[in-house]
Amino acid sequence: QSALTQPASVSGSPGQSITISCTGSRSDVGGYNLVSWYQQHPGKAPRLMIYEVIKRPSGVSDRFSGSKSGNTASLTISGVRTEDEGDYYCSSCAGGTSLVFGGGTRLTVL
Amino acid sequence: QLQLQESGPGLVKPSETLSLTCSVSGGSISGGGFWWGWIRQPPGKGLEWIGIIYPNGLTHDNPSLKSRLTMSVDTSKEQFSLMLTSVTAADSATYYCVRQIGGGSWSLDYWGQGALVTVSS
Repeated sequence: QSALTQPASVSGSPGQSITISCTGSRSDVGGYNLVSWYQQHPGKAPRLMIYEVIKRPSGVSDRFSGSKSGNTASLTISGVRTEDEGDYYCSSCAGGTSLVFGGGTRLTVL
Repeated sequence: QLQLQESGPGLVKPSETLSLTCSVSGGSISGGGFWWGWIRQPPGKGLEWIGIIYPNGLTHDNPSLKSRLTMSVDTSKEQFSLMLTSVTAADSATYYCVRQIGGGSWSLDYWGQGALVTVSS
């Protein structure tokens, strides 16, 4: 199983919208509506932000939204804030029996 | 509030076996149709899925680790465990235990704080 492809870094100014992409294949992202997104701050465990492509767990700000088109999923953060800085990882069910992660994207809020 | 806590040796010698246990509190391993699993993250690198186990013992493993990996669950103790044999320096990582949302979601909604394991002689 190959890792999903994410940009290494993205940046934005406070208040802007940013989008992080996650590209896979028909065997993972394109084949299942089972993409999740995780936020990780330094030294902390990841936190689930989006699951099943578009769903937000309780307690996650509605500034975070997910989408998917073909083999590429996206995470959009509207009105980005300094506290949104960190690493973001996508994941997808692969082949129905395993999970694959993206390489991670470092978000910098300038 | 559900809590997961990893425990085990922080230092393992090359070629030996890495063993970790995750203790679950604030909820039951057996209830709710959840899977329980392991994720690891080498220092400064990304996340890697290790595998998941259902309370009845059914597992799904990362194919790249399958030959060295054993997972088990003890519902009476509200614990599940990981064993990884023949470790090398490449297995050095922070190991997280996780809960996977049921219903085939493949999403990880609860994470332990992580346990750093270093493979070194």
